[in-house]
Amino acid sequence: DGGITQSPKYLFRKEGQNVTLSCEQNLNHDAMYWYRQDPGQGLRLIYYSQIVNDFQKGDIAEGYSVSREKKESFPLTVTSAQKNPTAFYLCASSISEDLYNEQFFGPGTRLTVL
Amino acid sequence: QKEVEQNSGPLSVPEGAIASLNCTYSDRGSQSFFWYRQYSGKSPELIMFIYSNGDKEDGRFTAQLNKASQYVSLLIRDSQPSDSATYLCAVNREDNFGNEKLTFGTGTRLTIIP
Repeated sequence: DGGITQSPKYLFRKEGQNVTLSCEQNLNHDAMYWYRQDPGQGLRLIYYSQIVNDFQKGDIAEGYSVSREKKESFPLTVTSAQKNPTAFYLCASSISEDLYNEQFFGPGTRLTVL
Repeated sequence: QKEVEQNSGPLSVPEGAIASLNCTYSDRGSQSFFWYRQYSGKSPELIMFIYSNGDKEDGRFTAQLNKASQYVSLLIRDSQPSDSATYLCAVNREDNFGNEKLTFGTGTRLTIIP
């Protein structure tokens, strides 16, 4: 089955710890994205990547880091510098970054800071 | 002014009636528009996309686009209880570096009343 997987589904973190969220896709998509969703709010773009070994900051990149060493994988690290990390994190991919290509979403990771 | 605005609702519609969801956007240069459905606790799934002025129909769903008024809507005919969800409007925009990105509205929560 083709799709996007994210792990873990739920993640608990103590303040001051870095955590890494996994995102893998087998759709052969070039572009991948990370979004954050807070209750009652829309999706806000954290980072995106159009090709391997290249990525750009989105609207709320502070306190986050990413890597794109393989086409299939785009992990997101939430660092201790992120002031309010508790949120629902969504990974998405699209065939390319072309504006007409729809984005497909993974199931999400719910991060809670204790 | 928000880049993408939606009425947050909740919008309550009797089963079998037409549900009308509205979205306005600020970037006059936007060219692609997407409607996603998001069930509580789940990730968004694509319902419709539209690029040209006018109507686009897919089963019980119709997307309407008016670029002059910067307005896009989603109509759901013969509403079913399974249509109860939050509907997210997404609009492409070009950032300061010429990269195309999607901007999401905060979503409209729709409840279909049996």
